[in-house]
Amino acid sequence: KQEVTQIPAALSVPEGENLVLNCSFTDSAIYNLQWFRQDPGKGLTSLLLIQSSQREQTSGRLNASLDKSSGRSTLYIAASQPGDSATYLCAVKFTPVGAAGNKLTFGGGTRVLVKP
Amino acid sequence: SAVISQKPSRDICQRGTSLTIQCQVDSQVTMMFWYRQQPGQSLTLIATANQGSEATYESGFVIDKFPISRPNLTFSTLTVSNMSPEDSSIYLCSVYRVSNTEAFFGQGTRLTVV
Repeated sequence: KQEVTQIPAALSVPEGENLVLNCSFTDSAIYNLQWFRQDPGKGLTSLLLIQSSQREQTSGRLNASLDKSSGRSTLYIAASQPGDSATYLCAVKFTPVGAAGNKLTFGGGTRVLVKP
Repeated sequence: SAVISQKPSRDICQRGTSLTIQCQVDSQVTMMFWYRQQPGQSLTLIATANQGSEATYESGFVIDKFPISRPNLTFSTLTVSNMSPEDSSIYLCSVYRVSNTEAFFGQGTRLTVV
């Protein structure tokens, strides 16, 4: 069964510290992996998309790495700010792509609190 | 990024009634996806809606409970029928701007059934 796991479920850090969020998946046959941010009661905001052929993606203070062989992705957020407090979700699109493979399989999320 | 508008943003409904959620996208897309997020849980796909054909439902979800319409390439509705408190969730629609690339989500509909 294709599953996505995020550990820890919750994380609290002081402002300014770097955040490291982990995502693991059970099947290395992935098409891409996407990181999202979700504020309480809201929808999802896409942060970074990593294609299966890529090792990492960067956007501002965010950097996401992908290691298919070990079934892991890591999201790094540099110099965290209180505004980074949210739930971060990892989602994988497993291959094959097509009628049965277009859905995203989500991890349970990591709830982050950045304390001022 | 795709602009996705969902209505209503939230609602409180009586058990036994139905609610229809609308999803409007700012450009034509082939597939639209409906997800459910139960309290404290992650997202689970309900169904995939293609224009001009029946929606494809995931295991555990049935058309009688979650009928979906997809009348054109920019719009879809999801109905939650005969609601019970267990249907209290956030319902989200999602699209890919370009096939099989980055997924975008609406702001969600927070449903509470009392």
